[in-house]
Amino acid sequence: GIQVEQSPPDLILQEGANSTLRCNFSDSVNNLQWFHQNPWGQLINLFYIPSGTKQNGRLSATTVATERYSLLYISSSQTTDSGVYFCALDSGGGADGLTFGKGTHLIIQP
Amino acid sequence: KAGVTQTPRYLIKTRGQQVTLSCSPISGHRSVSWYQQTPGQGLQFLFEYFSETQRNKGNFPGRFSGRQFSNSRSEMNVSTLELGDSALYLCASSLAYRISSYEQYFGPGTRLTVT
Repeated sequence: GIQVEQSPPDLILQEGANSTLRCNFSDSVNNLQWFHQNPWGQLINLFYIPSGTKQNGRLSATTVATERYSLLYISSSQTTDSGVYFCALDSGGGADGLTFGKGTHLIIQP
Repeated sequence: KAGVTQTPRYLIKTRGQQVTLSCSPISGHRSVSWYQQTPGQGLQFLFEYFSETQRNKGNFPGRFSGRQFSNSRSEMNVSTLELGDSALYLCASSLAYRISSYEQYFGPGTRLTVT
């Protein structure tokens, strides 16, 4: 199946800093989503972005499908941005569901 | 529009027992998928249902089963519980069963502890 690698695994930043999270994948994708998992475990949808660039407030994402990577940008970080960020994707029609990376654990310190 | 709901939110069971978890998708969504999250294995796909039919299944033993009702609500069942089944079980819904084509929305999860 498709391989997903997220980096960095852990990131500690001060409030107000900017960050870039990366997701590399091993095959072409039809569905790529970014999620934020809050402390209670719920996965919050950030972006559905199999290709191109999207922005939502302080967050933006870019997927370069031909080079098999996606980036999530967080600007002017706030403590509420803390949590785990997952990249999840599907390459083959959904037979294996969404394949998740191991996540980036982000801690924003006040 | 209400999001995906899962019940119960927390559950404690003993080895050998069975458990049933419930998921109600977003109104209008007809596909429901289930995932297991553990610290060691991360998030893994269990199965997907659409129109009361299982469309896809992940690499889990037969003790894990599920079903979907005509109103798109879904249940998953785990029989003969093992300690390793302790996990956060997440349900996702989408408009249709082609995961490739439709955004997936997740519920808050059910945290199962097996003692």
